[in-house]
Amino acid sequence: GEDVEQSLFLSVREGDSSVINCTYTDSSSTYLYWYKQEPGAGLQLLTYIFSNMDMKQDQRLTVLLNKKDKHLSLRIADTQTGDSAIYFCAAGYSTLTFGKGTMLLVSP
Amino acid sequence: GAVVSQHPSRVICKSGTSVKIECRSLDFQATTMFWYRQFPKKSLMLMATSNEGSKATYEQGVEKDKFLINHASLTLSTLTVTSAHPEDSSFYICSATTGRSKLGNTYEQYFGPGTRLTVT
Repeated sequence: GEDVEQSLFLSVREGDSSVINCTYTDSSSTYLYWYKQEPGAGLQLLTYIFSNMDMKQDQRLTVLLNKKDKHLSLRIADTQTGDSAIYFCAAGYSTLTFGKGTMLLVSP
Repeated sequence: GAVVSQHPSRVICKSGTSVKIECRSLDFQATTMFWYRQFPKKSLMLMATSNEGSKATYEQGVEKDKFLINHASLTLSTLTVTSAHPEDSSFYICSATTGRSKLGNTYEQYFGPGTRLTVT
């Protein structure tokens, strides 16, 4: 089955760029997602990328996909304190496998 | 550690019947469990938040009489889809949180593998 791995914690200063990395194992995963979870809330879909794409940009968010290495990253430009949250990577098609989440802490 | 299981993984039922889905934390006590529903291809929608020993908190638009949630113990929460209809066919996923973590936050969630419900 699919296995999705993420680093657990990332700390950045406000205004810097944040890069959250994710690896997955199943090369047949068609969709790759990034979810955000703020304290006490459910998962919020941030963005997703199809497996036939290398990059997707959406305002401050840039997703890079390296299919060969099965590596996915989420870059947040000009990180703000409001970006502090847990970010989940998920891979799959009709069913998803989630990573454990990366806690992003943004300090002023 | 921190394994969450769901049972069954797949279920097919006839329209009008009820289906119960179990979510268990296998090696930790879960103070809070979440139930999500995944729509085709993309979205994961939070249905309800379940705290052990108290009533579940449902998200707006989720029918609490249709989706009955019981969090009877620190390791078990159940979701019962009552009088199921074909439009209830979906992927239901639960997650659990311990309320504490090695990072010092309370928001690490551990997800179950999901249950595929098909209503015919």
